[in-house]
Amino acid sequence: GENVEQHPSTLSVQEGDSAVIKCTYSDSASNYFPWYKQELGKGPQLIIDIRSNVGEKKDQRIAVTLNKTAKHFSLHITETQPEDSAVYFCAASPGKAGKSTFGDGTTLTVKP
Amino acid sequence: DAGVTQSPTHLIKTRGQQVTLRCSPKSGHDTVSWYQQALGQGPQFIFQYYEEEERQRGNFPDRFSGHQFPNYSSELNVNALLLGDSALYLCASSLVGVNTEAFFGQGTRLTVV
Repeated sequence: GENVEQHPSTLSVQEGDSAVIKCTYSDSASNYFPWYKQELGKGPQLIIDIRSNVGEKKDQRIAVTLNKTAKHFSLHITETQPEDSAVYFCAASPGKAGKSTFGDGTTLTVKP
Repeated sequence: DAGVTQSPTHLIKTRGQQVTLRCSPKSGHDTVSWYQQALGQGPQFIFQYYEEEERQRGNFPDRFSGHQFPNYSSELNVNALLLGDSALYLCASSLVGVNTEAFFGQGTRLTVV
């Protein structure tokens, strides 16, 4: 089955700096890669996703890149703000509403 | 649009008991997936329901079962509860076909004592 590894497990940055979280996956059948933000006491919230036919996607301060050959994808957050502090999860899915396999999460702390 | 709603939000059960958790999907969604999230870990896929049938299942024992109703809402049942079943149980809804985005509810925090 699919295995997703996520690094780092914790990340602390100063407000205004950039943050990068990296994930690798094992199953070449995976073609959909969502990223979720989870705040304390809440369910994961989809913040951006990318499909395997695209190499990069950007939404304001958030961008995701995908390298299918190397089986890794990354989340980039620029101009970080204290409200970006949360746990971020990457996931991989075969698409068509198939099950997602999640990484173990990255706790991002943005210091004011 | 109320999004994905789960009930109850918190639950305390005794070892050996049975529990039922409920989920109403986002309006327009027809597929419900259940996940278990242990403290400090990512969500683990339990199973997925579509057209009132279990379509996919993760590596969970038969003590975990589910149901989907004609209105697409779903229940997760866990029998013979173990201390290790204590976790946040998440429901995610999506639409089979073109869209694969899954939207999560706030979860049900189950504590087994």
